[in-house]
Amino acid sequence: AQSVTQLGSHVSVSEGALVLLRCNYSSSVPPYLFWYVQYPNQGLQLLLKYTSAATLVKGINGFEAEFKKSETSFHLTKPSAHMSDAAEYFCAVSVFSGSARQLTFGSGTQLTVLP
Amino acid sequence: DGGITQSPKYLFRKEGQNVTLSCEQNLNHDAMYWYRQDPGQGLRLIYYSQIVNDFQKGDIAEGYSVSREKKESFPLTVTSAQKNPTAFYLCASSYGQGGSNYGYTFGSGTRLTVV
Repeated sequence: AQSVTQLGSHVSVSEGALVLLRCNYSSSVPPYLFWYVQYPNQGLQLLLKYTSAATLVKGINGFEAEFKKSETSFHLTKPSAHMSDAAEYFCAVSVFSGSARQLTFGSGTQLTVLP
Repeated sequence: DGGITQSPKYLFRKEGQNVTLSCEQNLNHDAMYWYRQDPGQGLRLIYYSQIVNDFQKGDIAEGYSVSREKKESFPLTVTSAQKNPTAFYLCASSYGQGGSNYGYTFGSGTRLTVV
């Protein structure tokens, strides 16, 4: 079965520090991978996606992620955290279920940004 | 602008009542999904529909029902059989059957509380 694991349910960083949110996937075929962000009491918003083109993917709000097949990872990074980055982040992998693809989500990582 | 509209944003249910959550999209997406979100548990799939007049159970379908009479609409009914319905409910849609490399577009959610 294809799945995604997010390491660390809570991550805290200081404002201006590097943000690193970890995501590992298991897939027997090249996956499509996604990162979403969720602010309190809102839906999920797409940050970026990997669809087998460039392995370094740039997204909105200064975030980027690198697909590393050898490590089965798709970690999310941002060089300098802002207070507005505080939110919950979800990694997702697109997998086949029956005859169609569906997204399977990780359990989420809550990012806290300290002043 | 195209998007997904969920209503109401907040909903209160008395014990033994059925309530219906609305989800409408004008993105011309084929597939639609309902997720339940509880603190610390990520997103759990309730039902999904790939085409009109067809839908499939997700991981936690018991106590819920759906219909897909129109491409644009995918309402979710929380029945009295759902013993613990207090949660945040998210509707999503995707282009093509299963999202492929486009990912999902999410609504802003409905918070249901049992009183």
